[in-house]
Amino acid sequence: DQQVKQNSPSLSVQEGRISILNCDYTNSMFDYFLWYKKYPAEGPTFLISISSIKDKNEDGRFTVFLNKSAKHLSLHIVPSQPGDSAVYFCAASGSRLTFGEGTQLTVNP
Amino acid sequence: EPEVTQTPSHQVTQMGQEVILRCVPISNHLYFYWYRQILGQKVEFLVSFYNNEISEKSEIFDDQFSVERPDGSNFTLKIRSTKLEDSAMYFCASSWGTSGETQYFGPGTRLLVL
Repeated sequence: DQQVKQNSPSLSVQEGRISILNCDYTNSMFDYFLWYKKYPAEGPTFLISISSIKDKNEDGRFTVFLNKSAKHLSLHIVPSQPGDSAVYFCAASGSRLTFGEGTQLTVNP
Repeated sequence: EPEVTQTPSHQVTQMGQEVILRCVPISNHLYFYWYRQILGQKVEFLVSFYNNEISEKSEIFDDQFSVERPDGSNFTLKIRSTKLEDSAMYFCASSWGTSGETQYFGPGTRLLVL
């Protein structure tokens, strides 16, 4: 199932800099996209979402951008903090959530 | 803040045994889900449940699996005869509505089938 793909398994950034996590999808019927953060031995924690009718949604340090023509979304975290170090999953919603593989973000102090 | 809870956190069982994984969804949510994540793989949808019946299930959710809401608060996943390949983290989730509504996940149950 390659409907949602996160091509970067890992990303390392310095504290205070911007983290950009990317996600691509193939199914144009998805109408809602979400980003989850996951620590080891815990469940996915909801971060931020965006409807397919919008191109940007912002919540504090987190901004999600959606480019429907490219079937691409990205999560920007600025400024990045060491506590942001986790695995980030993008997920696309129809009646079920379809997840990407996840990207391990490491924020170095 | 309301949260989804799951028990047990870990379960070890012998192949062929039945297991029941338990979840307490967020109290005013109407839709309930089970997902699983095999080590090193994606989180995969298993089943969704609404109004006391299955609303959607994936190809993974075969006759060995069943779900139930035995009372007003619990939501269970039963695996009738476990196989080695059922070893995974199982996550319960709930949401107020369906498509377009955020699903909130529990901490997961790690199932190990020996």
